[in-house]
Amino acid sequence: GDSVTQMEGPVTLSEEAFLTINCTYTATGYPSLFWYVQYPGEGLQLLLKATKADDKGSNKGFEATYRKETTSFHLEKGSVQVSDSAVYFCAQHPQGGSEKLVFGKGTKLTVNP
Amino acid sequence: GAVVSQHPSWVICKSGTSVKIECRSLDFQATTMFWYRQFPKQSLMLMATSNEGSKATYEQGVEKDKFLINHASLTLSTLTVTSAHPEDSSFYICSAREGSSSYNSPLHFGNGTRLTVT
Repeated sequence: GDSVTQMEGPVTLSEEAFLTINCTYTATGYPSLFWYVQYPGEGLQLLLKATKADDKGSNKGFEATYRKETTSFHLEKGSVQVSDSAVYFCAQHPQGGSEKLVFGKGTKLTVNP
Repeated sequence: GAVVSQHPSWVICKSGTSVKIECRSLDFQATTMFWYRQFPKQSLMLMATSNEGSKATYEQGVEKDKFLINHASLTLSTLTVTSAHPEDSSFYICSAREGSSSYNSPLHFGNGTRLTVT
């Protein structure tokens, strides 16, 4: 079935470090891919998305490229800030049919000053 | 931006009692709302899809008689955990799709409800 696997956390970085959070998916067809972020005490917010192969989603300095050949959608940021501390969820919307999103387990990121 | 308000944010109840969780879209109409459950260190698991004016669609393995969903208006969906037991303790999150029921429409999430059953 459709699934999302993302790297387990927690991830702890110093400010201005480079961030990568790996995400791979299994799906039939070509899903849309998303990264959601959950800041402490808040609900999930859409961070970025990509709807087809080779698309790059970007927002707030974060980027992720839809790689069909490796079924991946890794999240990257060149220089993290303390304010980026949050839980990040990778998700897919399977092609066709149901509207439901399939989420990964989430990766907690802590950025220290 | 669009806001989804979920209430209460946390609740403690005794085993055998029922608990109602509300999910409201504050500045948009939501034909479709979704209810998720999240266990510690686990992904969000979709429990059911709630459609305004019709019966909810439950995911496999979710007891519809235990988790009652009502979506009586375009801005409100409720989840009632009936005869709650300690194993129902979890984090429940709702989301609402803005506009038409298309996966391209924005999806907005509530802040979640922490339920603890003693």
